[in-house]
Amino acid sequence: AQTVTQSQPEMSVQEAETVTLSCTYDTSENNYYLFWYKQPPSRQMILVIRQEAYKQQNATENRFSVNFQKAAKSFSLKISDSQLGDTAMYFCAFMRYAGNNRKLIWGLGTSLAVNP
Amino acid sequence: EAQVTQNPRYLITVTGKKLTVTCSQNMNHEYMSWYRQDPGLGLRQIYYSMNVEVTDKGDVPEGYKVSRKEKRNFPLILESPSPNQTSLYFCASSSAGGSYNEQFFGPGTRLTVL
Repeated sequence: AQTVTQSQPEMSVQEAETVTLSCTYDTSENNYYLFWYKQPPSRQMILVIRQEAYKQQNATENRFSVNFQKAAKSFSLKISDSQLGDTAMYFCAFMRYAGNNRKLIWGLGTSLAVNP
Repeated sequence: EAQVTQNPRYLITVTGKKLTVTCSQNMNHEYMSWYRQDPGLGLRQIYYSMNVEVTDKGDVPEGYKVSRKEKRNFPLILESPSPNQTSLYFCASSSAGGSYNEQFFGPGTRLTVL
């Protein structure tokens, strides 16, 4: 069974600085997808970035980038130039395309506080 | 605006009183799914549906029912709610074509069962 581990329950960063959130996963699959979702205090689940396992190039979305290490089964999220609005829970999630189910398997989250 | 809506957003009820949480999407998505989010357990899939009249169990289906009579709606039914179903519930949808399609989440429903 696939599992996703986020080893940092809480982190904090100063505004404008860079922070990296860690995620490791376990799977025997070769083709899968990895995601980072943001959950602000509103509780809305917002997709931040995604990575296809077959792509070697790390995904980037504006200030957000990932370091995808397939052999190490590691998928960290780097937030550059942190902003107060980045304060949220961040979840790492894994999805394999198993038949009809697009089930996401989630880590327990990292609570990020961006301090002014 | 493309969105997934859930109602109600907040609900406090008592043990045994049947309730339904509605989920509706306006993106013509085939795939819909329900998750529950609990502290220390994360998000877990309850049920999913690939299309009208096609539903299947996720990881924690006990105590829940779903139906998919229309493509846009995927209600979650708790026939006899119990306190262990107190949770934050999310509905999600995506199109089914291709190998990947972004899943869009509803705003969540906070359910408390007394």
